[in-house]
Amino acid sequence: ETGVTQTPRHLVMGMTNKKSLKCEQHLGHNAMYWYKQSAKKPLELMFVYNFKEQTENNSVPSRFSPECPNSSHLFLHPHTLQPEDSALYLCASSQGTSGGAETQYFGPGTRLLVL
Amino acid sequence: GQNIDQPTEMTATEGAIVQINCTYQTSGFNGLFWYQQHAGEAPTFLSYNVLDGLEEKGRFSSFLSRSKGYSYLLLKELQMKDSASYLCAVKDSNYQLIWGAGTKLIIKP
Repeated sequence: ETGVTQTPRHLVMGMTNKKSLKCEQHLGHNAMYWYKQSAKKPLELMFVYNFKEQTENNSVPSRFSPECPNSSHLFLHPHTLQPEDSALYLCASSQGTSGGAETQYFGPGTRLLVL
Repeated sequence: GQNIDQPTEMTATEGAIVQINCTYQTSGFNGLFWYQQHAGEAPTFLSYNVLDGLEEKGRFSSFLSRSKGYSYLLLKELQMKDSASYLCAVKDSNYQLIWGAGTKLIIKP
């Protein structure tokens, strides 16, 4: 496996289901990110982890709970979802978080549909 | 507030040249990125500009004017595979990426 992988690619959830989104990066990076991408809207940064420590939480509803057990893995545990949570959830990684030229590399995303 | 503006959609012809503009107003500036995103796929890095001027990379070039808060992505010799969304993003003073909504580029034969 190379780059950034995400599973599952598609996820259908009811408002009371409990399933998780998984991200793994094979680039040796130290920082990982969760973004939400909705149609015709800018990417919304949700969470940032650097060396496993959460450094950003951009006013994300508490129904989204992130987990970062190590620098290579990142999870998102959604619960009690709302229809407006339907979106593409993108994971990204970068070497660090403080350099201007630090480039973020993205996974293919998990398409979440809330029924 | 912070804002990135780019056209919602553009159409161009195979073999032609197209320029996608991006204007920004951010708290600080630590570089501007362009990404390409095909439908249903990951955004992929195209270019990074931090100094004024033109950076050329094969068929793709990116230009930056910091004084005008303006950048463009120039695509030459368009191919059908260039049909995608192009995302402009600026790193602000906190090194956080501020994203535009993307420009959907449609290439016609």
